[in-house]
Amino acid sequence: DAEITQSPRHKITETGRQVTLACHQTWNHNNMFWYRQDLGHGLRLIHYSYGVQDTNKGEVSDGYSVSRSNTEDLPLTLESAASSQTSVYFCASSEFGFAGELFFGEGSRLTVL
Amino acid sequence: KNQVEQSPQSLIILEGKNCTLQCNYTVSPFSNLRWYKQDTGRGPVSLTIMTFSENTKSNGRYTATLDADTKQSSLHITASQLSDSASYICVVTPLNSGNQFYFGTGTSLTVIP
Repeated sequence: DAEITQSPRHKITETGRQVTLACHQTWNHNNMFWYRQDLGHGLRLIHYSYGVQDTNKGEVSDGYSVSRSNTEDLPLTLESAASSQTSVYFCASSEFGFAGELFFGEGSRLTVL
Repeated sequence: KNQVEQSPQSLIILEGKNCTLQCNYTVSPFSNLRWYKQDTGRGPVSLTIMTFSENTKSNGRYTATLDADTKQSSLHITASQLSDSASYICVVTPLNSGNQFYFGTGTSLTVIP
């Protein structure tokens, strides 16, 4: 069955370190998204991609970057982790961009000390 | 400002009882409204999706209704089960997407025996 997987599921890091969260989907979807989820907030869009070599900033993109070298993967990099980036991160994919159904990964819980 | 607000914030019900969750939105015009179920420690999973022209959509014991005039949606759960314990998230997609979904903060439902 097609799926979307994230790794690691849990990570603890220190302020200032670079962190990369992996996202891999086998739906063959062109559209992929990264969200963060925090108490009191709805899911907030960090970055998204409509296809290979395409990346776009979301509403909370500062301090994050993504790259899209193939259809299956959209890694999320925190260049210099900050405590404010402690959160649960979800990767999602969609066949029809923002018009289509979103399929979410299981999430990556990141703690920045 | 486009907003999606859900109520109640949390709810506890007895197994076997029915319940209704509310979603009020100001996104206008909108393309579709979705309800997602998010189990603790998991990613959101789609329950229903309704276009602006639909009034109701069912998925098993879950029935979503939409009143586009009052900008309200509800999710009704019939004969609740312990496995219904989760967070339920309302998501609205603008008609002119602007590359955005608008997520509510969710209603946390606990079903007790």
